[in-house]
Amino acid sequence: AQKITQTQPGMFVQEKEAVTLDCTYDTSDQSYGLFWYKQPSSGEMIFLIYQGSYDEQNATEGRYSLNFQKARKSANLVISASQLGDSAMYFCAMRSPRYNNNDMRFGAGTRLTVKP
Amino acid sequence: DGGITQSPKYLFRKEGQNVTLSCEQNLNHDAMYWYRQDPGQGLRLIYYSQIVNDFQKGDIAEGYSVSREKKESFPLTVTSAQKNPTAFYLCASSLFGSLNTGELFFGEGSRLTVL
Repeated sequence: AQKITQTQPGMFVQEKEAVTLDCTYDTSDQSYGLFWYKQPSSGEMIFLIYQGSYDEQNATEGRYSLNFQKARKSANLVISASQLGDSAMYFCAMRSPRYNNNDMRFGAGTRLTVKP
Repeated sequence: DGGITQSPKYLFRKEGQNVTLSCEQNLNHDAMYWYRQDPGQGLRLIYYSQIVNDFQKGDIAEGYSVSREKKESFPLTVTSAQKNPTAFYLCASSLFGSLNTGELFFGEGSRLTVL
């Protein structure tokens, strides 16, 4: 079964500091995609960053980077220079074409609070 | 602008009533999905559809029904058989492709409360 684990229910970070949100996954597929989404209190899901299983370089998108360690099956999100607007729920997710007809599976999420 | 529109944003229902949540997309995506989110939890798949006139059950399909008569539309009906329907419902779409590992695009969600 495909499984996504986020072990940090809540995290606090000081404004302008960096923070790492943890994510581990379980799959026996060789081809898969890993994602991070941000969900503010309004509820919409905002796509942040994507890492393909065959990508050798860690993905980066502005202040977001994905620390991809394939052998350890981890895909941690790093947010640099945190801003107050970063306070939200963050979800790690995976798509694995060989399983579940390629739908997207989500972790339970991490609530990030940025302190001024 | 291209995107996914869900309506209504808030919905209240009495026990024993069926309700239908609307989801429309103009992204020309073949695949569409319905997820349910409960407080403090991640998203769980209810139903998905990869092409018109075809849809498949997800992990928690009991008490729900869908239709896919048009590429742009994927309405979800929450029936009276759903024992605990109060939740936040999210519709999503993506490009079709069994090997596609691209992102899902989400609507803004519908919050259903059973009184």
